[in-house]
Amino acid sequence: SQQGEEDPQALSIQEGENATMNCSYKTSINNLQWYRQNSGRGLVHLILIRSNEREKHSGRLRVTLDTSKKSSSLLITASRAADTASYFCATGFRDKLIFGTGTRLQVFP
Amino acid sequence: NAGVMQNPRHLVRRRGQEARLRCSPMKGHSHVYWYRQLPEEGLKFMVYLQKENIIDESGMPKERFSAEFPKEGPSILRIQQVVRGDSAAYFCASSRFDGVLETQYFGPGTRLLVL
Repeated sequence: SQQGEEDPQALSIQEGENATMNCSYKTSINNLQWYRQNSGRGLVHLILIRSNEREKHSGRLRVTLDTSKKSSSLLITASRAADTASYFCATGFRDKLIFGTGTRLQVFP
Repeated sequence: NAGVMQNPRHLVRRRGQEARLRCSPMKGHSHVYWYRQLPEEGLKFMVYLQKENIIDESGMPKERFSAEFPKEGPSILRIQQVVRGDSAAYFCASSRFDGVLETQYFGPGTRLLVL
């Protein structure tokens, strides 16, 4: 299977703490994207990092990419209860996105 | 600028019936992708279409499933003779250009329940 894996599968933290999620993938990629999905809802695009980039920031989000290790991490700083959701990485491979299995983040007030 | 629209949001079918799922891409987007999500899992790619063309259907089951994106109107994912295992959330995404290089924007999904 080409599907990537995310680690941890589930994460519970207090508001104000940082949350780090990791993603590993198997194939060569053009880019890697992170999405958020609230329970029962569609996906919201968070950030895209290209294969020639190593780090990218967007607000409270920081994404790193290590193509030699085929891995990426998503850091959410100063988490809020509203960040509670599932987070998926997706790698751009040929003409499709290959999604990871997701990390379920719960942020307690 | 409206986002990707999908309808219906929820669809209940009995085994053996047909399910038709519709997706209207964002304005100006000519690339459409369909994904399926089983409970507690990530999304799995099904098919990639451009107007009047199927570009990649490597993720589509060989039987009962078909997709189209006509010159006019929404993209349609059609499931014939549905079975319980087809119960899932089906998401459509669109992009301006090749989705690997561009961000794909997702619709809210259609949740199909087969009784």
